[in-house]
Amino acid sequence: RKEVEQDPGPFNVPEGATVAFNCTYSNSASQSFFWYRQDCRKEPKLLMSVYSSGNEDGRFTAQLNRASQYISLLIRDSKLSDSATYLCVVDHFGNEKLTFGTGTRLTIIP
Amino acid sequence: DTEVTQTPKHLVMGMTNKKSLKCEQHMGHRAMYWYKQKAKKPPELMFVYSYEKLSINESVPSRFSPECPNSSLLNLHLHALQPEDSALYLCASTPSGGATDTQYFGPGTRLTVL
Repeated sequence: RKEVEQDPGPFNVPEGATVAFNCTYSNSASQSFFWYRQDCRKEPKLLMSVYSSGNEDGRFTAQLNRASQYISLLIRDSKLSDSATYLCVVDHFGNEKLTFGTGTRLTIIP
Repeated sequence: DTEVTQTPKHLVMGMTNKKSLKCEQHMGHRAMYWYKQKAKKPPELMFVYSYEKLSINESVPSRFSPECPNSSLLNLHLHALQPEDSALYLCASTPSGGATDTQYFGPGTRLTVL
């Protein structure tokens, strides 16, 4: 089993729709979880950290389910500018190493 | 200044060349990272420097040699590379290297080995 698994997509979603991604992780000792966004031929940038209680930032909501070892990202009222690859990132045994999922490619269609 | 800079942006080299990639940050971050990213794949960790000391080497071939001259600079020296080493090389930094830190990535150097 891979350390961090994501559905690679692509997800093609009409503008204004709601879309959700899941990501599973294998190491129950992981403590930190993130969603990064990477645009084509650009570097990854932090979208949001994922907290145990769940967190929301505008149209974006992240959830953590420790029992089932997955995190989720919900995007509401999707915009054309949301088109990107979304990377699920998990820490490795709580140290400075992070493990990246393969990414989920999202395209918002006008 | 909240950015990580990398030079050069693009690099083409032959298999017998020696070249270096440079990374710089002035955010006072104490951990710096090198990642390799192939097309349509996630970044793969290569090296981590924490407080200017190499703390993680992910079994990277010796043709890649990292160097951290000071807390703001990180170099990656390249020698005798193979065509399969062609990739985007990303540098990142974090305030302290802690697991909860945000990673700030540079724009990357796109390397082509002929």
